[in-house]
Amino acid sequence: NAGVTQTPKFRVLKTGQSMTLLCAQDMNHEYMYWYRQDPGMGLRLIHYSVGEGTTAKGEVPDGYNVSRLKKQNFLLGLESAAPSQTSVYFCASSYSTSQSGNQPQHFGDGTRLSIL
Amino acid sequence: AQRVTQPEKLLSVFKGAPVELKCNYSYSGSPELFWYVQYSRQRLQLLLRHISRESIKGFTADLNKGETSFHLKKPFAQEEDSAMYYCALRSGAGSYQLTFGKGTKLSVIP
Repeated sequence: NAGVTQTPKFRVLKTGQSMTLLCAQDMNHEYMYWYRQDPGMGLRLIHYSVGEGTTAKGEVPDGYNVSRLKKQNFLLGLESAAPSQTSVYFCASSYSTSQSGNQPQHFGDGTRLSIL
Repeated sequence: AQRVTQPEKLLSVFKGAPVELKCNYSYSGSPELFWYVQYSRQRLQLLLRHISRESIKGFTADLNKGETSFHLKKPFAQEEDSAMYYCALRSGAGSYQLTFGKGTKLSVIP
């Protein structure tokens, strides 16, 4: 059981390039999330999804887009990368709160992204 | 707006000493509180949640609504406890978002 899998694990981009981070979960979770983790800032929510075909903005959505075409996948896109987007990105998933109360979020290993 | 504060960026204790990682929150309703841990080179994982009133790896945390705190405690620290610890808040049933504190790095000195 892989849980939450993120690809790639590491990437270096030049300013202005675009890329997509992939998150896949095999736990049949309804909810999925993308966070960024910066030194001294903790984790901040970028976007999230409460089901296939739906997405919503989190705390720091600017410069990112997401898509949830399949229940098990949640894609994070950077259309034009900027140095300020250098960070470690974490994907997480969970059951819906209506299904089973305060279910925890399960995290992937993270993607370390550097923008030059 | 909800907020989670972990006042200590780094906490160093000797092996066998008691540990207390502080977490204070700001939220007007009835929150759900969690502690997550990230060991070196491992993914972030749930340590414990207040609603379960459980003890995991010797750690406990009690929600104090009067002081709006959810401090993490362990009576005797072990070297394997060295990790980053994050306190997180969810604003009750039906809420999707977790608000994380900035984290505390616990270093247990042999």
